[in-house]
Amino acid sequence: DAKTTQPTSMDCAEGRAANLPCNHSTISGNEYVYWYRQIHSQGPQYIIHGLKNNETNEMASLIITEDRKSSTLILPHATLRDTAVYYCIVRVAGVKAAGNKLTFGGGTRVLVKP
Amino acid sequence: IAGITQAPTSQILAAGRRMTLRCTQDMRHNAMYWYRQDLGLGLRLIHYSNTAGTTGKGEVPDGYSVSRANTDDFPLTLASAVPSQTSVYFCASSDGGLSPQHFGDGTRLSIL
Repeated sequence: DAKTTQPTSMDCAEGRAANLPCNHSTISGNEYVYWYRQIHSQGPQYIIHGLKNNETNEMASLIITEDRKSSTLILPHATLRDTAVYYCIVRVAGVKAAGNKLTFGGGTRVLVKP
Repeated sequence: IAGITQAPTSQILAAGRRMTLRCTQDMRHNAMYWYRQDLGLGLRLIHYSNTAGTTGKGEVPDGYSVSRANTDDFPLTLASAVPSQTSVYFCASSDGGLSPQHFGDGTRLSIL
């Protein structure tokens, strides 16, 4: 799986949009971008994923650049409960032998402030 | 609420003892996974199962065994616990392939 690079930490204001960048410059054509987050003392939580088109769900939006070398996760209206570590993960399509494992890097520690 | 249940929530165990961590899901997912999370190392895959009756080794399988007798349950066994197995263990499930993995809240295990 391609390597991802994320800022170590970032702060954002409650009620404002939080934009979390991720660099995946070595991504291959068959690799998807996934975002998970982990709130303190809880298991990782799936947020969203995409291949090349922008995606939106009830939690967030995912914007992938045209060259697919970077992406941005957008939390439209951050709340205090969005404080967590956010992980950007790249996964290869159709890989069964490796157990479809998720490779979590260091992630971005997001602190939402009142 | 549908999801993954892990038990126990936490455990302190003497080295050399046998321990089974339980994981049950009610989403009828085909695939299940066990990860361990250690400070500075992120989550690492221990074992996985693509479907009931099959299992496979992840990146750190030594000292652990799993079984998948049915769709819902995927227990992880430490045959003889060692201090280096002190960690937080997460179970996850998915429909397989590129489907998102859903995680339980973990078991915090301390081996003394």
